[in-house]
Amino acid sequence: SQKIEQNSEALNIQEGKTATLTCNYTNYSPAYLQWYRQDPGRGPVFLLLIRENEKEKRKERLKVTFDTTLKQSLFHITASQPADSATYLCALDGGDMRFGAGTRLTVKP
Amino acid sequence: GAVVSQHPSRVICKSGTSVKIECRSLDFQATTMFWYRQFPKKSLMLMATSNEGSKATYEQGVEKDKFLINHASLTLSTLTVTSAHPEDSSFYICSASPRFANYGYTFGSGTRLTVV
Repeated sequence: SQKIEQNSEALNIQEGKTATLTCNYTNYSPAYLQWYRQDPGRGPVFLLLIRENEKEKRKERLKVTFDTTLKQSLFHITASQPADSATYLCALDGGDMRFGAGTRLTVKP
Repeated sequence: GAVVSQHPSRVICKSGTSVKIECRSLDFQATTMFWYRQFPKKSLMLMATSNEGSKATYEQGVEKDKFLINHASLTLSTLTVTSAHPEDSSFYICSASPRFANYGYTFGSGTRLTVV
């Protein structure tokens, strides 16, 4: 069966450090992978999309990598800030959008 | 651009009544919209895919007679929870994609349903 796994339920880091979140998938051959941010009681907000033929994509302090051989995506937030504290979800679009369970990131001052 | 409006944001209803949730794409047309359900501290679970002008596609285990979906126009999909029970209490979220290059899906702000 298809699975999307985000291996850390929660991640705590110190302000200024780089947060790295992992997303692994099985039984998918996605054309692209997406990352979203979700704050409590709100809908997810789109952050980045990376295609299968792209190894890396950056947006401001965010960086996403996509390794289709390993079936893994890494999501990095550099120079993290307390305002980055949220749950981050990876998602695969195979005709419909399915999500990993998310990683709850807490950035401590 | 690419805004999805969801209404209401919160609703409390009595057991046995029905509740309608609206999802509108404000500045783009969406032939397909998605409805999700989310339990506390859990990820989004896809319930159904709403298709404009045709029947919705439901995920396995989702009762189509309980969760009625209507996608009557290119900018509006509705989810009606019929004969609601306390176990239907949850956070419901819709989404759609403007299908711009390098752009993901836009989500509504969600509806917190409480059945008492």
